[in-house]
Formats: sequence, C-alpha cells, structure tokens
Amino acid sequence: ETGVTQSPTHLIKTRGQQVTLRCSSQSGHNTVSWYQQALGQGPQFIFQYYREEENGRGNFPPRFSGLQFPNYSSELNVNALELDDSALYLCASSSQAGESTDTQYFGPGTRLTVL
Amino acid sequence: AQSVTQLGSHVSVSEGALVLLRCNYSSSVPPYLFWYVQYPNQGLQLLLKYTSAATLVKGINGFEAEFKKSETSFHLTKPSAHMSDAAEYFCAVRWGFGNEKLTFGTGTRLTIIP
Repeated sequence: ETGVTQSPTHLIKTRGQQVTLRCSSQSGHNTVSWYQQALGQGPQFIFQYYREEENGRGNFPPRFSGLQFPNYSSELNVNALELDDSALYLCASSSQAGESTDTQYFGPGTRLTVL
Repeated sequence: AQSVTQLGSHVSVSEGALVLLRCNYSSSVPPYLFWYVQYPNQGLQLLLKYTSAATLVKGINGFEAEFKKSETSFHLTKPSAHMSDAAEYFCAVRWGFGNEKLTFGTGTRLTIIP
C-alpha cells in the first residue's frame, strides 16, 4: 500500500510569486486535508477536499486555494506569496469524510521558503 | 474557541525513565483525540487515537494515553524512554461528527538524556 506522497520536497520562491504544491493520497483514500506548519508551531488546518469538493476551510485568505482530482490527488495553490507563508505544508489523506473516527495520514511535507 | 494545550514545549528525560507528555483540550463536546510524532524534517506519524471506546489507548512504540473526561486530558506516557523516542510530539483533537478539521497543540519536544 502506497502512503501519502508530496512534491516537491523543498521550494524557494520570492515574495509576490505563485506556488503549486502537490499531494497524492494513500491508496483507497478519497479525502485530502492541507495544513500549514510554521517553524516551532503545530500544524494549522487550511482546507479539506472530499470527492473533488471543498469540505471545510480554516482561517486562511482566499489566495490559498486548492483542487482535488478524480484520482483523489490534490493541489494547494498560493498566490501573491508573503514572507509569512514560509512553512512546512503538510497533506493528509483519509478514507471517508463524515466518519469522526477516521484517521488522517500525513505525507512528508513540502518546505516552502519565501524570500 | 476550541483549543488544545500541551504543557511544556520541551521535556527532557533520562533513558529508561518514564515519559509523560501532557495534553488538555477545551470544549464539552466529546472529542476524538490523537497523538502524532514528528521526527526532524519529516511529516507526522500517528502514535495512537481515542475514538470513544476504551479510555486507555495503546499505540505504537510502547506509548499509551488515557482519556480523562473530567479533566479534559489525554496525556501520553511510556514507561521506559529510549533514545529513539527523541522527537516532537503533537496532540490533536477532532470535534464531532462531520467536522474533519484537526486542531493541534503547539507540540512538545522530547529529549532523551543518555
């Protein structure tokens, strides 16, 4: 069984640029959640996608957007990058939305540095 | 607002000693509780989860946690620390059916003293 994978591993961008991060969910999972983990902090929920629809959003501005594809892989897009966007971006997949006992399995993350 | 508090951003224990990492949550809504571990430059790995079954939950690598509703706590313990336990530990809570968001604590960095 393939786990959650993310690409790229590391990324360096400059302020004002746009970035796309990618996530492949674990086999059999149809839900993907994205989190931002700033240095020294716990992960913060950005949003979740279930069957290609947004299924909940955290306190992030609209310049953070996402997509989920028919194969349940997902993208996180961030426009107009700011210095504070520098963080580890984590993707987590789970098997079914609405099941409170469901467990989110995390990928290794993408480290984004904004200069 | 619903929140998760991890007391002690840094904890040091000697190898072979008891590990105790504290987690408290707010809200009277019955939660679903998780502990994750993060090794340097890696993602989060699930240690254990509480899902309203037994209040004492056993996880991987010899860790366990006890859900205490009256204290709104879910502390993580391990009887005997090993050098490989050195990592960052995060408590996370999910509130209610249909609420997919995990709310994390700020983490506890565990250092093992040889």
